[in-house]
Amino acid sequence: GQQVMQIPQYQHVQEGEDFTTYCNSSTTLSNIQWYKQRPGGHPVFLIQLVKSGEVKKQKRLTFQFGEAKKNSSLHITATQTTDVGTYFCAGPSRGAQKLVFGQGTRLTINP
Amino acid sequence: DAGVIQSPRHEVTEMGQEVTLRCKPISGHNSLFWYRQTMMRGLELLIYFNNNVPIDDSGMPEDRFSAKMPNASFSTLKIQPSEPRDSAVYFCASSLEGRVTYNEQFFGPGTRLTVL
Repeated sequence: GQQVMQIPQYQHVQEGEDFTTYCNSSTTLSNIQWYKQRPGGHPVFLIQLVKSGEVKKQKRLTFQFGEAKKNSSLHITATQTTDVGTYFCAGPSRGAQKLVFGQGTRLTINP
Repeated sequence: DAGVIQSPRHEVTEMGQEVTLRCKPISGHNSLFWYRQTMMRGLELLIYFNNNVPIDDSGMPEDRFSAKMPNASFSTLKIQPSEPRDSAVYFCASSLEGRVTYNEQFFGPGTRLTVL
């Protein structure tokens, strides 16, 4: 079946350092979504990318969708303690209106 | 809007007992999803409904799990009998889906289930 893989699984950085998580799908995606889950919280939608090669920014967060629409990345510039959490990518399953979530990248930050 | 509402927030039960988790989706949303999250397996989709009809229950672990959506504003996930390996956080999410669109999902706060 369709798989969405994320790397790394864990990332620990010093506050102020940059952070990137990568997402790869086994199949071409019509779109990709990113979610953030704070410790003890629930996943919260961040953004959706639809177009090949699309780049979107939200303040210090930059999201990219690959040209082949099989991979995506999330880059955080100058991390802050508020960025702590697990970041998930998710892509729609072929032929079904459901999302397949990656395993997530857990970001911890040393203040 | 109050968002997706789940109850209870925490449930501790003994092996063999029946557990019922409840969810109220956001008003107007037509799709509802039940997820289970554990450290080992991550976020897993158990079942989802569209317009109150179960569409895909391939993620339901076994016959001990069942889910219903009797109307657009309420869904339940039942585990009977419960086992320790069912311990997890169970999330309900809802969204407004079109035929060809995949919109953001709004997650509830989750129910943390512990089966002793």
